[in-house]
Amino acid sequence: QSALTQPASVSGSPGQSITISCTGTSSDVGSYNLVSWYQQHPGKAPKLMIYEVTKRPSGISNRFSASKSGNTASLTISGLQGEDEADYYCCSYAGSTTVIFGGGTKLTVL
Amino acid sequence: QVQLVESGGGVVQPGRSLRLSCAASGFTFSSNAIHWVRQAPGKGLEWVAVISYDGSNKYYADSVKGRFTISRDNSKNTLYLQMNSLRAEDTAVYSCARDLVSYYYVYAFDIWGQGTKVTVSS
Repeated sequence: QSALTQPASVSGSPGQSITISCTGTSSDVGSYNLVSWYQQHPGKAPKLMIYEVTKRPSGISNRFSASKSGNTASLTISGLQGEDEADYYCCSYAGSTTVIFGGGTKLTVL
Repeated sequence: QVQLVESGGGVVQPGRSLRLSCAASGFTFSSNAIHWVRQAPGKGLEWVAVISYDGSNKYYADSVKGRFTISRDNSKNTLYLQMNSLRAEDTAVYSCARDLVSYYYVYAFDIWGQGTKVTVSS
């Protein structure tokens, strides 16, 4: 299976909002509400930001929100802060007990 | 302190084997499915395998099926990944990650180790 499609990079200024898209197919993103999002700073382990499409784990800022429409999931970060600069990965269950990640998006805070 | 700590990585020749370990602490290891995820140098994340909380069910990515075996010893709070017939394309940092919900799969990884580096090269 091919990776989910994410933009290679996005950027925004402090205080602005950005949205990262994650496009899959009707066999993964479109079929299951099991999409998650991860933040990864250089040299660090990924951090779970969103699970089951829209849910935030305890301790994750409400500046992070997510949604899904059809085969595309989206992560929105509002009130951008310098610490948000990182790589972001989407992930989806793809049936038959397999999991697929997106290629990753580098977020630059200008 | 809730944590996962991987070990066992190193440099290995193509075709050879390696076994990775992932030691858990700070939570009830036997309650959650655990996954292996890898990241090749400069690349994105790739899911490798998952094992159920009790070890009865195991699933693999197509890229490693038939070569890698995931297992766990709940009495030792440890997860393993036996990697056979290694290829250059298996070169990556391998991390273990806990599935968020106990006794179930939601394929969301809430605890990650720092990873262990595997280099396959002659």
